[in-house]
Amino acid sequence: DIVLTQSPGTLSLSPGERATLSCRASQSVTSSYLAWYQQKPGRAPRLLIYGVSSRATGIPDRFSGSGSGTDFTLTISRLEPEDLAVYYCQQYGNSPYTFGQGTKLEIK
Amino acid sequence: EVQLVESGGGLVQPGGSLRLSCAASGFTFTTYRMNWVRQAPGKGLELISYISSTSSAIFYADSVTGRFTISRDNAKNSLYLQMNSLRDEDTAIYYCARGTSMSTIAPILYWGQGTLVTVSS
Repeated sequence: DIVLTQSPGTLSLSPGERATLSCRASQSVTSSYLAWYQQKPGRAPRLLIYGVSSRATGIPDRFSGSGSGTDFTLTISRLEPEDLAVYYCQQYGNSPYTFGQGTKLEIK
Repeated sequence: EVQLVESGGGLVQPGGSLRLSCAASGFTFTTYRMNWVRQAPGKGLELISYISSTSSAIFYADSVTGRFTISRDNAKNSLYLQMNSLRDEDTAIYYCARGTSMSTIAPILYWGQGTLVTVSS
């Protein structure tokens, strides 16, 4: 199984700042099948990014994804208070389709 | 509008059984792989099972293999998860989920609201 390790565990930033979230895979992710999800408290997850860098419909361009192989990054430029959430990466190229353990983003 | 509505969660004793249902609407159910994803309290996400559009391909995570059975009824636009021999560690919110496209390789775009399963004596 591909293990995804996210860092940091918690990130505390102020509105307007830039957030950089990391996702590292235990082996290369097949064909860049890497996605990012946002989960706000008490809500189901929401797809933000798929295929490493493609934004899902309706996702603001403040959210961007990058990376390849085993190292991937979700960047949120110009943080807003509503970005408070836990962010998960997922690889969907190799079964079982595993998730990272999440990064909690706190807004000061 | 795509809607996924889970039902069937509740409190069950260890060793007991429960059947979850997911009613799908707003899309052609018969053409999509469907998934069950769970989330233990305060924990991360785990894709525990999926079933292809024709039920010809089924996956189970190691954590539920031999105890859970996924099925679907395309005539009723419904997805099911039969859970037997439940353990404390199965306590979680269970989400019914659908991918972005009909491709078998797709991230999850649509999620239900989730149904809580609590395993406790």
